[in-house]
Amino acid sequence: DQQVKQNSPSLSVQEGRISILNCDYTNSMFDYFLWYKKYPAEGPTFLISISSIKDKNEDGRFTVFLNKSAKHLSLHIVPSQPGDSAVYFCAASVRLGSSNTGKLIFGQGTTLQVKP
Amino acid sequence: DADVTQTPRNRITKTGKRIMLECSQTKGHDRMYWYRQDPGLGLRLIYYSFDVKDINKGEISDGYSVSRQAQAKFSLSLESAIPNQTALYFCATSDGYDLAGGKKNEQFFGPGTRLTVL
Repeated sequence: DQQVKQNSPSLSVQEGRISILNCDYTNSMFDYFLWYKKYPAEGPTFLISISSIKDKNEDGRFTVFLNKSAKHLSLHIVPSQPGDSAVYFCAASVRLGSSNTGKLIFGQGTTLQVKP
Repeated sequence: DADVTQTPRNRITKTGKRIMLECSQTKGHDRMYWYRQDPGLGLRLIYYSFDVKDINKGEISDGYSVSRQAQAKFSLSLESAIPNQTALYFCATSDGYDLAGGKKNEQFFGPGTRLTVL
């Protein structure tokens, strides 16, 4: 059962335009969400995150929006640049028991291509 | 120098062979994780470790075992490799999950090991 879903395997946009990557989740107990970016032959790197008590978090060209009622989050990249071409993973953070340890549940990933 | 390193980076092996993938970190984190990535499936958790004495199974632990030799080292073993274990394997570390304390369970990944089982 896929608790975090990225239904678009790929997205292609023109340089300078907006890229919107979407993510849906099923578990209302998730309290933190993260986006990771992955280039070929490298490990995923953290990009931006949002707490479930917020609906927006912005960091430069990257903004994440959270709609809790719809169990949906999106990553906006404005303006998109060719260097943004990568695989983007959405992840939900789950606390493990009462400890301060958690695990991440990842979506399938969306491959973004930004064309010059 | 990279904070999380994995060896080997690439490995081709045959069905039935025993394989060990190694992970080392210099971040000083207690928590370490092993994931595999398959096309269309994202990253799935194999095993995780809170500290040297604590190891836990993830979603897909069958066919795998791990060893936490030290705080900085976490190894993944395939006792008898099979072709459907062909995948990208990633090690990750975290300093914990305590939102009030500013720890967001952000995980730091190694560069990955591409394993092919023939």
